[in-house]
Amino acid sequence: QSVLTQPPSASATPGQRVTISCSGSSSNIENNYVYWYQQLPGTAPKLLIYNNDQRPSGVPDRFSGSKSGTSASLAISGLRSEDEADYHCAAWDDSLSGLWVFGGGTKLTVL
Amino acid sequence: QVQLQESGPGLVKPSETLSLTCSVSGGSISTYYWSWIRQPPGKGLEWIGYIYYSGSTKYNPSLKSRVTISLDTSKNQFSLKLSSVTAADTAVYYCARTPSATYRYFDYWGRGTLVTVSS
Repeated sequence: QSVLTQPPSASATPGQRVTISCSGSSSNIENNYVYWYQQLPGTAPKLLIYNNDQRPSGVPDRFSGSKSGTSASLAISGLRSEDEADYHCAAWDDSLSGLWVFGGGTKLTVL
Repeated sequence: QVQLQESGPGLVKPSETLSLTCSVSGGSISTYYWSWIRQPPGKGLEWIGYIYYSGSTKYNPSLKSRVTISLDTSKNQFSLKLSSVTAADTAVYYCARTPSATYRYFDYWGRGTLVTVSS
């Protein structure tokens, strides 16, 4: 049972826009930054969004992040077949003397 | 380019200790936080703990009683020991780097190594 809650799956067709939600609490998302990781099949996760809405160098601007209260979202516009992957949200949690917590991951299928 | 590589046994017997090492190349192990993260088959990610270059550690409370993370700066490596393992500890284990307490994300990851707990 993950601390952050994500839908297990999402799907859309190429060119469409899709959003993935991540729900938490006051001890994690509300008072700390949210991070998003993309995990292509059989590979390690890769940082996609940091500090709620910042993209590391090399990440296309089709990917965007946002946060409001205890929830966060990842949006992917102009969906491409290579975006098919698992997406994980993460945040620092201030409870229990502090720890990183993750969502259960969302499997994105490009139809 | 910083690279991380996990190594260690792929099969561990129940009740024994899982031991993994992460070798860091392309950069110094100093000045950063170094974590272990695991992913059971078909499931989400779980942070196990980190060690700072100074040697200070922080562990996930759910695993704290069984985890030890150590650092060998002379070899640019850090290690994980997880004791009294059960089948629930079967997972892909990743090592990863965090730049700082301000930039609290994992920017470099190893490829991961599958550890199976079975007799």
